[in-house]
Amino acid sequence: AQKITQTQPGMFVQEKEAVTLDCTYDTSDQSYGLFWYKQPSSGEMIFLIYQGSYDEQNATEGRYSLNFQKARKSANLVISASQLGDSAMYFCAMRESGGGADGLTFGKGTHLIIQP
Amino acid sequence: ETGVTQTPRHLVMGMTNKKSLKCEQHLGHNAMYWYKQSAKKPLELMFVYNFKEQTENNSVPSRFSPECPNSSHLFLHLHTLQPEDSALYLCASSQAVAGGHGWDIQYFGAGTRLSVL
Repeated sequence: AQKITQTQPGMFVQEKEAVTLDCTYDTSDQSYGLFWYKQPSSGEMIFLIYQGSYDEQNATEGRYSLNFQKARKSANLVISASQLGDSAMYFCAMRESGGGADGLTFGKGTHLIIQP
Repeated sequence: ETGVTQTPRHLVMGMTNKKSLKCEQHLGHNAMYWYKQSAKKPLELMFVYNFKEQTENNSVPSRFSPECPNSSHLFLHLHTLQPEDSALYLCASSQAVAGGHGWDIQYFGAGTRLSVL
């Protein structure tokens, strides 16, 4: 079973509109972290924002915010006032159990295209 | 300039060749990772190194051989690859948190685009 599900393969959004990218996850751990990355066509994965499962406040970083709904196991990324440079692939990822070094489990991604 | 540098950016090799991918991080981190990104598939974790020790091998075929000589450098040695190994190979690094519930952020390089003919 998929641990990270991103149900929107592609999205077209008008410039300056807000965007919500969906992410649901599956874990039986109580301690986990959720991460969002942006991958432009150049290939580099750019870290955007993260949320720990014990964090009570939703994470925010500039125009990015994470709408964390623990009971629904969802961690949607919200981009406010979208810009043409936001066009890219967006990946949701999870890591179970904190501490030490461990890999991330990624979703299949959402291809976001911002239209002028 | 990014904190994680991967070379080469592009590589074409035959199935009988031997080549190596290089990753260098300038962030002072203590953990490094290799991921594989194939078309239409999620990123797959391949290897994890923590303080130069391999802590995870995610069932990767032996034709992929990692090497981590120090906490700043990570290599992926390739030999006798198959066409299905063609993919983007991404390196990442992080400052692993000792114990507890801390979350380290993984920072990625731009990847090596590998084509196996």
